Amino acid sequence: VLTQSPGTLSLSPGERATLSCRASQSVRSTYLAWYQQKPGQAPRLLIYGGSIRATGIPDRFSGGGSGTDFTLTISRLEPEDFAVYYCQQQYAVSRPYTFGQGTKLEIK
Amino acid sequence: QVQLQESGPGLVKPSETLSLTCAVSGGSVSDINWWSWVRQSPRKGLEWIGEMSPSGTANYDPSFMGRVTISMDISKNQFSLKLISVTAADTAVYYCARHVAVPRTRGFDYWGPGTLVTASS
Repeated sequence: VLTQSPGTLSLSPGERATLSCRASQSVRSTYLAWYQQKPGQAPRLLIYGGSIRATGIPDRFSGGGSGTDFTLTISRLEPEDFAVYYCQQQYAVSRPYTFGQGTKLEIK
Repeated sequence: QVQLQESGPGLVKPSETLSLTCAVSGGSVSDINWWSWVRQSPRKGLEWIGEMSPSGTANYDPSFMGRVTISMDISKNQFSLKLISVTAADTAVYYCARHVAVPRTRGFDYWGPGTLVTASS
């Protein structure tokens, strides 16, 4: 199980956002990914392999963590960053993938 | 540029079979990437259903085991999802997605736009 916190984060453009993803058991960090989803759209891969930015993702997005605790950091929020963010993990090869319940990042 | 597009009926009667296809362009389903089906509903959020390897091996989430089949048609460059005995709980937006090809990492880098399937009589 992946638990994301907070459920909703209210911040202003220019601020720093830190989103948390906690796993119920230890996860290989390279098996962790983060997505952004806007209304009516499919999820968009931001970070894969725990800390690798996907193609075209700005460097204000960074992923980190290990064991059971992982974070997505957005260093300086832009207006287009307000969306819902999900973490995803696979505990081991051939095991199911699971997603967190999401963190909604809203404009304060 | 890789593109994925889901297609299939938007309405399925309870107890019947949900069938969806994901057409892939800009890449081959038999290349090096794995492929997945994911669904999203307000009740359950994002749920992984299963995956298919480029060689045709499928793995499924245990919660769908016995009801789901994922297959591949190399000649049409597409892969498909079949979910039998649907109930209202299977109402969701269904996405197909491509796995990142970087070894020992995880992530789905390309997604279809999604298709809403409603299970209702």
